[in-house]
Amino acid sequence: DAGVTQSPTHLIKTRGQQVTLRCSPKSGHDTVSWYQQALGQGPQFIFQYYEEEERQRGNFPDRFSGHQFPNYSSELNVNALLLGDSALYLCASSSVIEQYFGPGTRLTVL
Amino acid sequence: AQSVTQPDIHITVSEGASLELRCNYSYGATPYLFWYVQSPGQGLQLLLKYFSGDTLVQGIKGFEAEFKRSQSSFNLRKPSVHWSDAAEYFCAVGERDDKIIFGKGTRLHILP
Repeated sequence: DAGVTQSPTHLIKTRGQQVTLRCSPKSGHDTVSWYQQALGQGPQFIFQYYEEEERQRGNFPDRFSGHQFPNYSSELNVNALLLGDSALYLCASSSVIEQYFGPGTRLTVL
Repeated sequence: AQSVTQPDIHITVSEGASLELRCNYSYGATPYLFWYVQSPGQGLQLLLKYFSGDTLVQGIKGFEAEFKRSQSSFNLRKPSVHWSDAAEYFCAVGERDDKIIFGKGTRLHILP
């Protein structure tokens, strides 16, 4: 079992650009959640996808959007990047009981 | 609103010494509680979780945590730390597969 995988590992973008991050859930998991972890902070919930629809959303602007595919994999899109979007982006997939986290994508915005 | 407080930003202990990391939560109902560990540059690994039942929960790597409803606390303990335990530890509260609210973390340093 490969667990939760995320790509790319690292990414460097400039202000105003757009970025897409990808996540493949653990086998058998149908729910994917995305978190943003700024340096020195705990992860903050962005949104959650289930059955290809956004089920819950945290306090993030509409520049953050997502998608879930029929195979349960997911994408996180961020438009009009700001310097403050620099962070580790974590994907978590879940069964009924608990969430399993991927290694994250480190996004740097210059 | 749900919230988690980890009052200690940094904790330093000697190898072989006991450890206790503090966590207080605010939640309207009986919470689901978690402790995660994060090594530098890594994702989060679940150490243990509390959903219901026995208030003393055993986890991986020799960690345990005790749920105290009267104190709204869920402190993490280990009787004897190893150098490999140096990492960032996060307490969290939430529903089972719902969003999880994390504390700001406690960085654990181990002295040889």
